[in-house]
Amino acid sequence: GENVEQHPSTLSVQEGDSAVIKCTYSDSASNYFPWYKQELGKRPQLIIDIRSNVGEKKDQRIAVTLNKTAKHFSLHITETQPEDSAVYFCAAPNTGFQKLVFGTGTRLLVSP
Amino acid sequence: NAGVTQTPKFQVLKTGQSMTLQCAQDMNHEYMSWYRQDPGMGLRLIHYSVGAGITDQGEVPNGYNVSRSTTEDFPLRLLSAAPSQTSVYFCASSASGGVIQETQYFGPGTRLLVL
Repeated sequence: GENVEQHPSTLSVQEGDSAVIKCTYSDSASNYFPWYKQELGKRPQLIIDIRSNVGEKKDQRIAVTLNKTAKHFSLHITETQPEDSAVYFCAAPNTGFQKLVFGTGTRLLVSP
Repeated sequence: NAGVTQTPKFQVLKTGQSMTLQCAQDMNHEYMSWYRQDPGMGLRLIHYSVGAGITDQGEVPNGYNVSRSTTEDFPLRLLSAAPSQTSVYFCASSASGGVIQETQYFGPGTRLLVL
């Protein structure tokens, strides 16, 4: 089945710096890669997703890149702000595309 | 729209007790799922449903049962609670039919403590 590995597990940056979180997946047939943000004590919420027919997608300060050959995708946050502090999860569908398999999460801390 | 709702918000059980975690959505979503979240382990899928009357197992189904008699509701039953089931449980729904390629909307979660 699908296996999703996420790194790093924790990431500390200064306000204004960029942050990059990387995920690798095992099933070459996977074609949908969402990223979820979970603030402390809250529910996970989708922030951006990418499908396999594009290599990059941007939404203001957030971007996701996909390398299908290497089977990895990354979340890029530019000009980080303290409110970006949260746990971020990547995910990919399993073989059969009926389940999402989540990475173990990255705790991002943005210091003022 | 209320979105995805879950009850209760918090529950304490004794080992061996049974209970049902409720989940409902008012978005007419076909796909519903249950996850558990434990520190350092991300979100793990317990059970899911692609439509009323259809359910299937996720990664960690042991000790849990589900049913889907209506599109709106997807309850999760703990048959005989164990301390290993102490966790935060999230229900989620998606407009996806049989293929998971749409946004999953999560409920607020139920925090369960089994003593």
